[in-house]
Order: sequence, then structure tokens, then C-alpha cells
Amino acid sequence: SQTIHQWPATLVQPVGSPLSLECTVEGTSNPNLYWYRQAAGRGLQLLFYSVGIGQISSEVPQNLSASRPQDRQFILSSKKLLLSDSGFYLCAWSVGYQPQHFGDGTRLSIL
Amino acid sequence: TQLLEQSPQFLSIQEGENLTVYCNSSSVFSSLQWYRQEPGEGPVLLVTVVTGGEVKKLKRLTFQFGDARKDSSLHITAAQPGDTGLYLCAGAGGFQKLVFGTGTRLLVSP
Repeated sequence: SQTIHQWPATLVQPVGSPLSLECTVEGTSNPNLYWYRQAAGRGLQLLFYSVGIGQISSEVPQNLSASRPQDRQFILSSKKLLLSDSGFYLCAWSVGYQPQHFGDGTRLSIL
Repeated sequence: TQLLEQSPQFLSIQEGENLTVYCNSSSVFSSLQWYRQEPGEGPVLLVTVVTGGEVKKLKRLTFQFGDARKDSSLHITAAQPGDTGLYLCAGAGGFQKLVFGTGTRLLVSP
């Protein structure tokens, strides 16, 4: 069966520090991968999606970037975090026209 | 820009009551999904509806996709405390990119 892992679960970082959040999927090949950010108690905003290795599409201009170095690995990064980057970050995968399945998220707090 | 509005935003009810959550858009979607999310966790898929007018039942939950595939509803019969959570609708577009609704937080008290 397919599984998705995100880490870390929680992260506290100072303003101006770099960021790297990692997401890996197991049990499937060539998945579509997605990064979302969620405001407290609200819907999810799509940040990036990828249909293959090295292929990244950005949905909104921001201080973040994404990379897909391997088929089942998706990384969310920043060179210098801003206070506004705080939030709950979710990774998801899908195959073909099947629904997306989500990881358990990373709670990022910027101080 | 595709938007999905959910109503109500927040609902607090007693165990045993019925409720309906609405998800509305001016855009047409190829499919629509409903998720439930617990605090500190990722959303969990409840159902996908694809055909206009489609009705799907999942135990006490009934999901309906509008005839024009622009809106959907979720009806819960005899709500239980275990139904408490954030309910999210999401419309699917190209590459299965999802447009998420604004969310409905449900609290069911014993």
C-alpha cells in the first residue's frame, strides 16, 4: 500500500533562517506531488506541484521554492524565512485521475 | 480564479441532530472531493463525486454533486461526537490540482 511521510512534524525557526521540509512517498511510481499551506482552520492553498523529476510548477509568488530530486521525494525550501511563512504545510500525492492523499503536515512557527 | 465557498463556516450542534454543509462555486469541476481533517493532521479523503447529480452515501454521511458540477452538499444524519472536525470540499482541475473550499468546522457535543 502507498504511504506518505513528512518531516519534521513541528519546526520553530528564527526569521531569516533557511528551511527544508521533506516529503517522501512509498508504494507508487511517478506520482504527482503537491505542497500546500493551510491557514488555521481554513482551506488549503496550493503552493507547488510536480508531475515528474525536476518538474516544478509554482502556483503563487512567494518566498519559498520546491524541488523534486527523486521520483518520490519532494522538498520545500527557503533561503530566508519571513514571519509570514508561518503555517501548516501539507504534502500530497496522486496518480492519474485518482484523488490526492495527504501527509500529516509540518507545523512551522517563525520567531 | 476558481473559488469554492463553504457554508456555514462553523457549526456547533448536539449529538443526534442532522446537518448539511454546502460547497458552492461559479466554476465547473471535473470532480469534487470531500475531506475531513483533525487538528494537527492531514485531510483524509471521504468521497469523490464525478457525475452531475451523483449521490453517494457513506454510513450516516450523504454527499451530492450538483447537476451542473459547480456545487456539492454533505448531509450528516444523527451526528455523533466522532464527526467533529474540519470538513473541506475540493474541486479538481488540470493535473488533478485541487481548489479547496474555505472549510466548515463542526463541533458535535454529547
